[in-house]
Amino acid sequence: QQQVKQSPQSLIVQKGGISIINCAYENTAFDYFPWYQQFPGKGPALLIAIRPDVSEKKEGRFTISFNKSAKQFSLHIMDSQPGDSATYFCAAYLDSNYQLIWGAGTKLIIKP
Amino acid sequence: EAQVTQNPRYLITVTGKKLTVTCSQNMNHEYMSWYRQDPGLGLRQIYYSMNVEVTDKGDVPEGYKVSRKEKRNFPLILESPSPNQTSLYFCASSLAAQETQYFGPGTRLLVL
Repeated sequence: QQQVKQSPQSLIVQKGGISIINCAYENTAFDYFPWYQQFPGKGPALLIAIRPDVSEKKEGRFTISFNKSAKQFSLHIMDSQPGDSATYFCAAYLDSNYQLIWGAGTKLIIKP
Repeated sequence: EAQVTQNPRYLITVTGKKLTVTCSQNMNHEYMSWYRQDPGLGLRQIYYSMNVEVTDKGDVPEGYKVSRKEKRNFPLILESPSPNQTSLYFCASSLAAQETQYFGPGTRLLVL
């Protein structure tokens, strides 16, 4: 119930392509869904976030799609660039215990 | 510069030798948290602190202690480290629990 399942574990995309990372959850009490980006040797940094009353949020080349009925959300990176190569984490916030539950991460490599 | 600092960045120790990893933030954040990051498991929360008066266990608190005597500092204490605590540790802070978390640079710990 507390888990957030993230897929794929790793992803290789050609420069200019679309990168898609998926997450699924069970607990309908989650009410905030951020995505964090982590470069090697650094801590994660917030990329984009969405609340369940919104089906899509776009910031530049990054878009979150949210499907409340399916309990799934995904990150789309349009026109992927080598600088996007990083590990991406989805997460879900549970207000009842003030915890952020994290997916296992996706290592994204953008090939030039 | 607004930041979260952790020390040390790297630490090699032996089983049973008490150690402390310090964490400090200069953003006047109320919420602070410790995570460990292990390959394939994402980030798992060890402890969190809503403010100087409230500290609670996360998902993996066994073998760890924390204290929050002042707002800016949130040290992580391993009273008797064991090899299964070898990991990459991150401290994070935010204005409140559901707000954007800002991460420190990480502490890589090896327990022999």
